[in-house]
Amino acid sequence: QSALTQPASVSGSPGQSISISCIGSSRDVGGYDYVSWYQHHPGKAPKLMIYDVSKRPSGVSNRFSGSKSGNTASLTISGLQPDDEAVYYCCSYAGSYFFGYFGGGTKLTVL
Amino acid sequence: QVQLQESGPGLVKPSETLSLTCAVSGHSITTASYWGWIRQPPGKGLEWIGSVYYTGRLSYSPSFSSRITISLDSSENEFSLKMTALTAADTAVYYCARDTSGFLEWWEWGRGTLVTVSS
Repeated sequence: QSALTQPASVSGSPGQSISISCIGSSRDVGGYDYVSWYQHHPGKAPKLMIYDVSKRPSGVSNRFSGSKSGNTASLTISGLQPDDEAVYYCCSYAGSYFFGYFGGGTKLTVL
Repeated sequence: QVQLQESGPGLVKPSETLSLTCAVSGHSITTASYWGWIRQPPGKGLEWIGSVYYTGRLSYSPSFSSRITISLDSSENEFSLKMTALTAADTAVYYCARDTSGFLEWWEWGRGTLVTVSS
């Protein structure tokens, strides 16, 4: 079993845009359109931000968007705000045996 | 609004069995959803442990399948995790969560409960 690969940290200034990558393989990210992204503030419950690669749950700002190319999924946050500072995790389905993996998490710092 | 709340012992001895419960409010666990457990060891990423469908059908991660049991308790509207043969490597924050599709897309989570394995 292997986790998906995310950068350990990214940073940006308020108002800027950033992207977080999530690198998998053809057995997970590249093989299925079931990539999800979570925002996690310390001490709180993680929050679903993107599902099915690019769909947003009701109530999630349209500043958050998701995409996929080959074995790499990406989360883009535009118009950075201080409250976006959190750890972001990706997750991908990987079939009916392994089921799925999470990424190692990316800490976003809003400078 | 679906809410989940984990409960269990904060400290477990090595080789013992961990029992955690997730109380669900705002949604009956007997209607279509998958109920799962996820953990995060200190300084590491998230790991999916396993899930139970509302029908009782089980899905376990191969990494844990030999030592876990997940079950539903419809009378209490909660579900539980039992994990045997604990070691220090099982020290982690344990989360319960709800997946509506079966494709490991977690719509609601609990806040997590820290379990430390130590003698």
